[in-house]
Amino acid sequence: DIQMTQSPSTLSASVGDRVTITCRASQSISSSLAWYQQKPGKAPKVLILESGVPSRFSGSGSGTEFTLTISSLQPDDFATYYCQQYETYPVTFGGGTKVEIK
Amino acid sequence: EVQLVESGGDLVQPGGSLRLSCAASGFTFSNYYMDWVRQAPGKGLEWVGRIRKRANSYTTEYAASVKGRFTISRDDSKNSLYLQMNSLKTEDTAVYYCTRVSDSGKFHFDSWGPGTLVTVSS
Repeated sequence: DIQMTQSPSTLSASVGDRVTITCRASQSISSSLAWYQQKPGKAPKVLILESGVPSRFSGSGSGTEFTLTISSLQPDDFATYYCQQYETYPVTFGGGTKVEIK
Repeated sequence: EVQLVESGGDLVQPGGSLRLSCAASGFTFSNYYMDWVRQAPGKGLEWVGRIRKRANSYTTEYAASVKGRFTISRDDSKNSLYLQMNSLKTEDTAVYYCTRVSDSGKFHFDSWGPGTLVTVSS
């Protein structure tokens, strides 16, 4: 199975900060990676790959290293973020990064 | 608007069985792969399994942790997805999400239901 490792596991930041979350795959997954945002008690929502996502969210990377960047953190962005690879079965997720208010 | 609504979650004893359902609306259900994803209390996301569409012979894939115990099926005439869970273990306790797999060529989950809670406990 492909292991997905996210860092950091928790991130404290302020509104307006630039935030970067890293996701590393245990082997190459080409560009087969998605990012999700989850708020407490809610289902995850996909970021980047779908329309309607605010432009402050951007993703980059290929192979084994990927990043999610929030260019200017907004109050609505405090949540937990997960990466997910869909290159091979089983589909696997990273452990999550919780973005907290500093 | 795409809607996915799970039902059937309950408290069940270890070794028991449960069947979850997911009602889909707002899109042509038969055209999509559908997956189940679960989340144990306070933990991260875990993929459970997939069922492909009719054109792909409704074939399935499962996580190793549930293979042989869980079965995913679908009824395109009812726009419904199912998860039959047998030989349940305490570690199966989780919120179970029904998800739609994108048909964009990127196999991410573009829609999620609100989830249904399964608790396995004596």
